[in-house]
Amino acid sequence: SQKIEQNSEALNIQEGKTATLTCNYTNYSPAYLQWYRQDPGRGPVFLLLIRENEKEKRKERLKVTFDTTLKQSLFHITASQPADSATYLCALVGSGYSTLTFGKGTMLLVSP
Amino acid sequence: DVKVTQSSRYLVKRTGEKVFLECVQDMDHENMFWYRQDPGLGLRLIYFSYDVKMKEKGDIPEGYSVSREKKERFSLILESASTNQTSMYLCASSLSLGVETQYFGPGTRLLVL
Repeated sequence: SQKIEQNSEALNIQEGKTATLTCNYTNYSPAYLQWYRQDPGRGPVFLLLIRENEKEKRKERLKVTFDTTLKQSLFHITASQPADSATYLCALVGSGYSTLTFGKGTMLLVSP
Repeated sequence: DVKVTQSSRYLVKRTGEKVFLECVQDMDHENMFWYRQDPGLGLRLIYFSYDVKMKEKGDIPEGYSVSREKKERFSLILESASTNQTSMYLCASSLSLGVETQYFGPGTRLLVL
């Protein structure tokens, strides 16, 4: 069956370091992958989209990579700040352009 | 600025009650979605709609129905609420299916007693 896996354990890092979050998938051939941020008690907010033919995408301090051979996406936040503390969700779009399937998310905690 | 609003932030209902959750978007989006989010289970799609009066089942439609009479409004209905429907309910909209960004509302935290 199709599976999207994100590290269920919270990632704790110090301010100024680079945070790297992982999204692995199996039995899936996604055409696109999206990353969202979710703060407690709020709805997810879109951050970045990367297509299967793109290796890397950047937006300010954010960088996403997409390796369809490894079936993995990495999400990096450079020069992390306490305000980056949140849960980050990856979401996959199938090649049939159907709905999104979300991972369970990884909580990031950035300490001052 | 894009906006998705949900009728209530918090709701407490009794078992067996009929519950209506409403969602409104002001972006003229074609598609609207209802999810529930539970600890350890993540976001799960209940129903979605790609046009007025059109609806499709998501991954967990049992115990729910939906209504989309107008483009901007998508309602989730719990015909007879049960305690296992206690959850955070999130509405989202997008310009088109799949590729496009989904814009989420703030969520409704429903407690069924």
